[in-house]
Amino acid sequence: ETGVTQTPRHLVMGMTNKKSLKCEQHLGHNAMYWYKQSAKKPLELMFVYSLEERVENNSVPSRFSPECPNSSHLFLHLHTLQPEDSALYLCASSAGSGYEQYFGPGTRLTVT
Amino acid sequence: QKEVEQNSGPLSVPEGAIASLNCTYSDRGSQSFFWYRQYSGKSPELIMSIYSNGDKEDGRFTAQLNKASQYVSLLIRDSQPSDSATYLCAVNRDDKIIFGKGTRLHILP
Repeated sequence: ETGVTQTPRHLVMGMTNKKSLKCEQHLGHNAMYWYKQSAKKPLELMFVYSLEERVENNSVPSRFSPECPNSSHLFLHLHTLQPEDSALYLCASSAGSGYEQYFGPGTRLTVT
Repeated sequence: QKEVEQNSGPLSVPEGAIASLNCTYSDRGSQSFFWYRQYSGKSPELIMSIYSNGDKEDGRFTAQLNKASQYVSLLIRDSQPSDSATYLCAVNRDDKIIFGKGTRLHILP
């Protein structure tokens, strides 16, 4: 595997389900990010991890819970989501804060 | 003033012509500038980075940076239908990357 990978690529879940999104980077980077992109809307930064420490949380509802066990892996745990949470969830990594970011292919999430 | 501003478009350009995409930013201290291409339903892909005033060329793409005027642009020569996408400008500020909302480019066959 090269670059940034995300699984699953597509996810349909009910509002009472619990699921997790996984991101893995194979670039030796130190920073990882979660973004949300709703249909035809700009990127919304959700969380930033630098050296496995959360450095930014942009007023994201608590039904989204990130986890970064090491510098190569990032998770986004989801529970009791709302239909408006349906979006493309993108993971990105960079060599450090302020450096160019490389994105994974994204997870298309649909909440029913 | 928004931190990174782009015209949302759509910008329609005939095939074979030059597409010119512009971006302005508010923080004079920004040192790194990036252009990403995002096809509909796909993730953003980094296509150009520029750090110094002037032009940087890579194939059909040229990034132009003018720090005094706080703008960065992307020129696409010999535009192809496959260049139809949303182009995101990104600028670093205080160890963060700030993305613009993107310009939709449509290449007319």
